Amino acid sequence: DAGITQSPRYKITETGRQVTLMCHQTWSHSYMFWYRQDLGHGLRLIYYSAAADITDKGEVPDGYVVSRSKTENFPLTLESATRSQTSVYFCASRATGLGHEQYFGPGTRLTVT
Amino acid sequence: AQKITQTQPGMFVQEKEAVTLDCTYDTSDQSYGLFWYKQPSSGEMIFLIYQGSYDEQNATEGRYSLNFQKARKSANLVISASQLGDSAMYFCAMREIGSGGYQKVTFGTGTKLQVIP
Repeated sequence: DAGITQSPRYKITETGRQVTLMCHQTWSHSYMFWYRQDLGHGLRLIYYSAAADITDKGEVPDGYVVSRSKTENFPLTLESATRSQTSVYFCASRATGLGHEQYFGPGTRLTVT
Repeated sequence: AQKITQTQPGMFVQEKEAVTLDCTYDTSDQSYGLFWYKQPSSGEMIFLIYQGSYDEQNATEGRYSLNFQKARKSANLVISASQLGDSAMYFCAMREIGSGGYQKVTFGTGTKLQVIP
């Protein structure tokens, strides 16, 4: 299916566990992004990537790791989950070029107990 | 420091009336872009409108228009003839160049709009 998908859609994990959230897009967009959405904070940028093997930190990168070995995939790993990382995580992609909007995945609701 | 500021956590508007959602931004880039997205209660993010920093005319898309005041660094969204389906969270976002030299997009905290019948 064309588009941008995230998996899992829902995840409950325990404090200290490693968790990986997956993001896959079929448009071959150069740019991909990870955001977390929390009440009162809007969407905060965690990491973004301009192309395969090019990533950069966003506003709130601590506790997260990303990689991008293939253009279509951009996994986000919580190395040792904490309760403060309970959130809804959105992945997005966009084409290179000034006016292109982002396309968002459906989100992953992560609960850390 | 907040790059995108949306000072209205919540707003009400009467159906069929116009409403303005405020957004101010902060960047030192000369070339940047401003976006508005809508997030209904179902959770998906819907692109509404885009304004480039060099665009001389305000962007319009149907009932949406973007009131771009570059000197004031504001990019307010105007929704004309509000409909019940406009009830949602609205986010302002900015594309600029990050420290690594690539384009990044950051968002404001959002405004929850409720349209009253």
